[in-house]
Amino acid sequence: DIVLTQSPATVSLSPGERATLSCRASQSVSSYLAWYQQKPGQAPRLLIYGASNRAAGIPARFSGSGSGTDFTLTISSLEPEDFALYYCQQRSNWPLTFGGGTKVEIK
Amino acid sequence: EVQVLESGGGVVQPGGSLRLSCVTSGFTFSSYPMSWVRQAPGKGLEWVSTISKSGGSTHYADSVKGRFTFSRDNSKNTLYLQMNSLRAEDTAVYYCGKREYNDSSGSYYDYRGQGTLVTVSS
Repeated sequence: DIVLTQSPATVSLSPGERATLSCRASQSVSSYLAWYQQKPGQAPRLLIYGASNRAAGIPARFSGSGSGTDFTLTISSLEPEDFALYYCQQRSNWPLTFGGGTKVEIK
Repeated sequence: EVQVLESGGGVVQPGGSLRLSCVTSGFTFSSYPMSWVRQAPGKGLEWVSTISKSGGSTHYADSVKGRFTFSRDNSKNTLYLQMNSLRAEDTAVYYCGKREYNDSSGSYYDYRGQGTLVTVSS
């Protein structure tokens, strides 16, 4: 199975700051990677698919980059509603796998 | 508006069975692959299973293979997850999701419901 390692586990930032989240795959997943946001008590929401494509309705401050084994989710300027958990997920190989998540918390 | 409503969760003893349902509306159900993911209390996300548009093709996580069966009734816009031989480690909130995008690798899903909690405990 492909293992996805997310770092850092937690990042403490202030509104308006830039957030950079990392996801590293144990083997190449090409560009077949998604990012999800999850808030407490809610289902995961698709943000990015195909490594760099924003899902419908996702603000432009969210961007994804990378290919192969190294991926980044960037939030250019944090809004209050962006403080949440973020997961990467690969769909290159079965079984589909998720990273362990990065929590973006308010500093 | 796309809506999904998961139900069927509850408390069950180890070795027992449950059937989860996911009733959908707001889209042409039979045109979309669907998926289940789960989240154990305080833990991360785990993909469980996906099903093709027709229901003729399914994939499962190794952790549930042989115990869970994912099916769909396209006449009722409804998914089913039959869970047998339940274990304590199956305790989780289960979410159903709809394919939103696809590329040469396959489908990307979004999850919009509130989920249903399954608790396996004696």
